[in-house]
Amino acid sequence: DAGITQSPRHKVTETGTPVTLRCHQTENHRYMYWYRQDPGHGLRLIHYSYGVKDTDKGEVSDGYSVSRSKTEDFLLTLESATSSQTSVYFCAISELKRANSTYGYTFGSGTRLTVV
Amino acid sequence: DAKTTQPNSMESNEEEPVHLPCNHSTISGTDYIHWYRQLPSQGPEYVIHGLTSNVNNRMASLAIAEDRKSSTLILHRATLRDAAVYYCILRGGISDKLIFGTGTRLQVFP
Repeated sequence: DAGITQSPRHKVTETGTPVTLRCHQTENHRYMYWYRQDPGHGLRLIHYSYGVKDTDKGEVSDGYSVSRSKTEDFLLTLESATSSQTSVYFCAISELKRANSTYGYTFGSGTRLTVV
Repeated sequence: DAKTTQPNSMESNEEEPVHLPCNHSTISGTDYIHWYRQLPSQGPEYVIHGLTSNVNNRMASLAIAEDRKSSTLILHRATLRDAAVYYCILRGGISDKLIFGTGTRLQVFP
């Protein structure tokens, strides 16, 4: 979607290797999120950020870390990838916390990660 | 986070109206009702949201029960491109996180 890009789009990596996924936005939105999506589970929140250097854990944060050194970039790192982390990862952005905002969340196109 | 309940799947014929229900009996007074949909191989996209009154936009209408314990997303004329998983989500509270359920998979037949 315009304003948010994820890279890479696809990646195959070996068990035990570190992996970093990048989410980049041009909307200057304060909130950024990382989700993973697996069959039968829908989307589950991994980590989120409410500002530069301000991050917090979501539902399934074990094995993942994040960093946000700039407003526009939110990085998701798998320190030592495992096969259970094979998934599709989505990044999302939202405006300053306003539940009545007309904007909602905007999602990226996803990164398909395979850990072999 | 308050939870929502949706049917796993629904079917419709093209050009017919579709009513997608959602129950949220534990909704709090400050929770907004949001709907997103996810087309195959894409990220979710925002559809509509509301608080108490019914809402209309170019994509859909949202009908909210008077007690706010349920809502219905209305697609006025389904098209094949509306085939997707539709998520009803309560948004609000301190964290403003979107917590997804498993949604309703809508199939549209020509």
